[in-house]
Amino acid sequence: NAGVMQNPRHLVRRRGQEARLRCSPVKGHSHVYWYRQLPEEGLKFMVYLQKENIIDESGMPKERFSAEFPKEGPSILRIQQVVRGDSAAYFCASSPGGGADQPQHFGDGTRLSIL
Amino acid sequence: GEDVEQSLFLSVREGDSSVINCTYTDSSSTYLYWYKQEPGAGLQLLTYIFSNMDMKQDQRLTVLLNKKDKHLSLRIADTQTGDSAIYFCAESMGSSNTGKLIFGQGTTLQVKP
Repeated sequence: NAGVMQNPRHLVRRRGQEARLRCSPVKGHSHVYWYRQLPEEGLKFMVYLQKENIIDESGMPKERFSAEFPKEGPSILRIQQVVRGDSAAYFCASSPGGGADQPQHFGDGTRLSIL
Repeated sequence: GEDVEQSLFLSVREGDSSVINCTYTDSSSTYLYWYKQEPGAGLQLLTYIFSNMDMKQDQRLTVLLNKKDKHLSLRIADTQTGDSAIYFCAESMGSSNTGKLIFGQGTTLQVKP
């Protein structure tokens, strides 16, 4: 039973480039959450998706950030025109359902560094 | 409001008990979680408690919930060096029911041999 798989583990981009972060949920899980962890801080919610739908994007910056979870394939978090402040660890979590009683299982994260 | 607070650092000796504390503000929170993060890794779910419970025990872990004071604690019995990590408490936003988690800033547990 594979857990949540994120890739790449480390990603380096120059300012102005695009970053694409991938997340494959636990098999059978159709709910995906993305969180961002800045250095020395806790995780901050970004977006919650079900297959083909964005349910809650209240934590997403209004510009440059987008997320999708297509019918087939992994969930993608895309950051366009990256800036230094985007440097962080990005974690994906999945759950079998979307309620408060559904424990979220986390991947090992993608560490994004902006030069 | 949404806010979860934790003390930043705790140091204990191997074999002692560790108690990590957490306070939260949203009275509508329905589930409260404890996660463990080792360096360079993701978050490992340790345990969770429903808000109508006041205690949950799972092997060396005991969770206590004081809903009146909005206080949550995690007790680790017989702490081992392998328990050294960052521990996050998180509340699930019951009012919105989307399941998104609000995390504290994490408590670094250092276990001395």
